[in-house]
Formats: sequence, structure tokens, C-alpha cells
Amino acid sequence: KAGVTQTPRYLIKTRGQQVTLSCSPISGHRSVSWYQQTPGQGLQFLFEYFSETQRNKGNFPGRFSGRQFSNSRSEMNVSTLELGDSALYLCASSSYTLAGANEQYFGPGTRLTVT
Amino acid sequence: DQQVKQNSPSLSVQEGRISILNCDYTNSMFDYFLWYKKYPAEGPTFLISISSIKDKNEDGRFTVFLNKSAKHLSLHIVPSQPGDSAVYFCAAEDQGGKLIFGQGTELSVKP
Repeated sequence: KAGVTQTPRYLIKTRGQQVTLSCSPISGHRSVSWYQQTPGQGLQFLFEYFSETQRNKGNFPGRFSGRQFSNSRSEMNVSTLELGDSALYLCASSSYTLAGANEQYFGPGTRLTVT
Repeated sequence: DQQVKQNSPSLSVQEGRISILNCDYTNSMFDYFLWYKKYPAEGPTFLISISSIKDKNEDGRFTVFLNKSAKHLSLHIVPSQPGDSAVYFCAAEDQGGKLIFGQGTELSVKP
């Protein structure tokens, strides 16, 4: 099976712009989660989508939004970019159905730099 | 409010010896705990998990121990190999399936 893919891998934007990141999950996985990784902060949970519905949400401002399509592909959007949004954004997919451990499979991430 | 903490940012171990990575949590309602390994320029990869009703789970060289009364878990790697050098994250899963990660511990295994 192909793994989780994320595009683009690297992105440079300026303050005030908006950005859209894309994630294609492992075939058959209906859950897609997004995380932000910054040095010293670990992985901060953004949100999770399951069957096109947001199932969980982290503590990020409304500038961060996402959606999931009927083929389970997901996009994440950040509007009005700030310098502090520079981070590695990771997408993870799973076949989790609220039973057992939620073993998530991660993509390589998108490195976003805001200047 | 950091619900999952890895207090050691780094750990250095000699090849062949045991590596012990630690993790503390605050919420006694977590259902599962998971460990992930991350190499530079790659996403984290799942290593091993443990249910909150167990106190030990083993998979090859990797063993996870859970001490619920202390709200503490640890990952033991025996024997450690240079290829184990990576950042290790522990994560706790709440009842809604959300994973809460620690800050990570960078393990360096020296030949």
C-alpha cells in the first residue's frame, strides 16, 4: 500500500498571505488528523476529520481550518499567516473507529516558512 | 497545560546497552498510550502501544511499561542499536481517539 502523501513538501509564504496544504491518506483509511510540530513543542493536534466531518479539534485559532473530501483526501488552510505559523505540518491517517488504539500513519510533512 | 510530558530532551546510550525513555501524564482517563519514532525529514512512525488496563507490552527489542498510580510510562529498547538514533514521542489517547503528544526525546546510540 502507498503511504500517506503530503504536498507540497516545502513552502515559503509572507505574513498576511494564506496557504493550503494537501494530504492523501492510505487507501481505505477514513480518518485524517493534522498536527503542527515546532521545536520544543512536540506535535500539537490541530483537527481530525472522519468521513468528511470534523470529529476532533485542538486549541488553535480560527485561522486554521480544514476539510475532507469524499475520497478521504484532506486539505488544511491557514489564513492571514503569522511568523509563528512557521512549522512542520504533519498529516496522519488511520482506520480508527473508536475501538482499540488509534495507530496513526504519518506523512513526511510540509515545511512552512513564513517571512 | 501540558498533559503529556517528556522531561528529558535528549539521551545518549552506548550500543548494546539499554535505552530507557520516560513519559509522564496528568489525565487518568487516557485509554491508550503509544510510542512513535521520528527520523529527520520523515514523519513519525508507530512503534508500540499499551492499553491503560495493562502494565506491560513487548514487541521484539521494545517494551513499554505503564505505572498508572504514578501516571508514568517508559519505553525500553534492548539492546540499543545505532539505527535506533531518532526522536521518540510518547502519546496518550483520550476516549474520543485524539492523540496528545509529548515534546519528544532525542536518542543517540553511540557505536
